[in-house]
Amino acid sequence: DAGVTQSPTHLIKTRGQQVTLRCSPKSGHDTVSWYQQALGQGPQFIFQYYEEEERQRGNFPDRFSGHQFPNYSSELNVNALLLGDSALYLCASSSGALNGQPQHFGDGTRLSIL
Amino acid sequence: GENVEQHPSTLSVQEGDSAVIKCTYSDSASNYFPWYKQELGKRPQLIIDIRSNVGEKKDQRIAVTLNKTAKHFSLHITETQPEDSAVYFCAASVGTYKYIFGTGTRLKVLA
Repeated sequence: DAGVTQSPTHLIKTRGQQVTLRCSPKSGHDTVSWYQQALGQGPQFIFQYYEEEERQRGNFPDRFSGHQFPNYSSELNVNALLLGDSALYLCASSSGALNGQPQHFGDGTRLSIL
Repeated sequence: GENVEQHPSTLSVQEGDSAVIKCTYSDSASNYFPWYKQELGKRPQLIIDIRSNVGEKKDQRIAVTLNKTAKHFSLHITETQPEDSAVYFCAASVGTYKYIFGTGTRLKVLA
């Protein structure tokens, strides 16, 4: 049973560029949440996707956008990259429409902005 | 605003002793409280969770307690082992779909 998989594992970009990160949820899960984890900090909620729609968003600018596909996989896009976007980006999947469902995380994508 | 405070930020215990990590949340409507363990360079792993209709939950050496009135919840690890060394995060549900995480506790179990 495959868990949550993310790609790529590492990425180096320069300021102003755009990046796309990918996530495949755990088998049986239909909900994908994205988090940003800065060094030494807890994960910060970016947004959550369910039924191919963004249904809640955290305090992140519009430069952060996403998509969910019919097979429940998801992408996180970040435009006009800033140095402060350097972080570990985590994807978490869960099952069901409501909160209170256990979330399972992937290994993350470490994004470095030069 | 939405906030989860976690203490202490670092905790060192002798092997075999107990460790306690405490979190306080701000949203009185929060109803789900998971705990995650994150080893260096690895994904956060769910180790235990509790819902607001339960005051305590145990799983072998790990337990979580919840005080809804005070908006506190705590992680208790008994008989600590070196492999328990990691960063532990608490989280609380906010609204219907969102989770807020604490800032983490680095636990060191000294052999």
